Amino acid sequence: EIVLTQSPGTLSLSPGERATLSCRASQSVSSSYLAWYQQKPGQAPRLLIYGASSRATGIPDRFSGSGSGTDFTLTISRLEPEDFAVYYCQQYGSSPPKWTFGQGTKVEIK
Amino acid sequence: EVQLVESGGGLVQPGGSLRLSCAASGFTFSSYWMHWVRQAPGKGLVWVSRINSDGSSTSYADSVKGRFTISRDNAKNTLYLQMNSLRAEDTAVYYCARVEYYYDSSGSLGNAFDIWGQGTMVTVSS
Repeated sequence: EIVLTQSPGTLSLSPGERATLSCRASQSVSSSYLAWYQQKPGQAPRLLIYGASSRATGIPDRFSGSGSGTDFTLTISRLEPEDFAVYYCQQYGSSPPKWTFGQGTKVEIK
Repeated sequence: EVQLVESGGGLVQPGGSLRLSCAASGFTFSSYWMHWVRQAPGKGLVWVSRINSDGSSTSYADSVKGRFTISRDNAKNTLYLQMNSLRAEDTAVYYCARVEYYYDSSGSLGNAFDIWGQGTMVTVSS
């Protein structure tokens, strides 16, 4: 079973700064099946990135994803006030079919 | 507007049952695989179950296998989760989510949860 480990657990930054979030898989995963989500308190998650690097519809270009194999990164180039939230990576494995989330990284205002 | 709306959550005693519903609108429900994902208070997201577009294939997380049953009624555009033998550790917000399949920049098929409902809270407690 693939485990996704996100780091850091909490990232304390100021608006305008760059945020770099890491997602490491316990074994190699297909980039096609790696996604990132944003969740704000009391809200449902929102898809940001799919296929490791493709932005979902309506997602600003300050959000970017990269990586392959076991190491993936979500970068927010310049933090806006609305970007402070929890971010989850997620992957799909086909044998057996299973969808797995990382434990999340909280981006908080410093 | 593409929308998923969950209902059916509430307080139930350990060992009890509950059926969640998820009403879909704004898209062709019968064309999509659908999922349930849960989130315990203050915790992360955990995948629970999925069902294919015509309801003929399902899969479950080990933690709910044999206790939960996912189903759908495409005529009613509704997804269900029947939860039996509930335990305290099943306490969570339950989200329904749509999976979209796509070809990425390399031409490979991938998927992601592109639409989520607002969630319904299930509390298992005596």
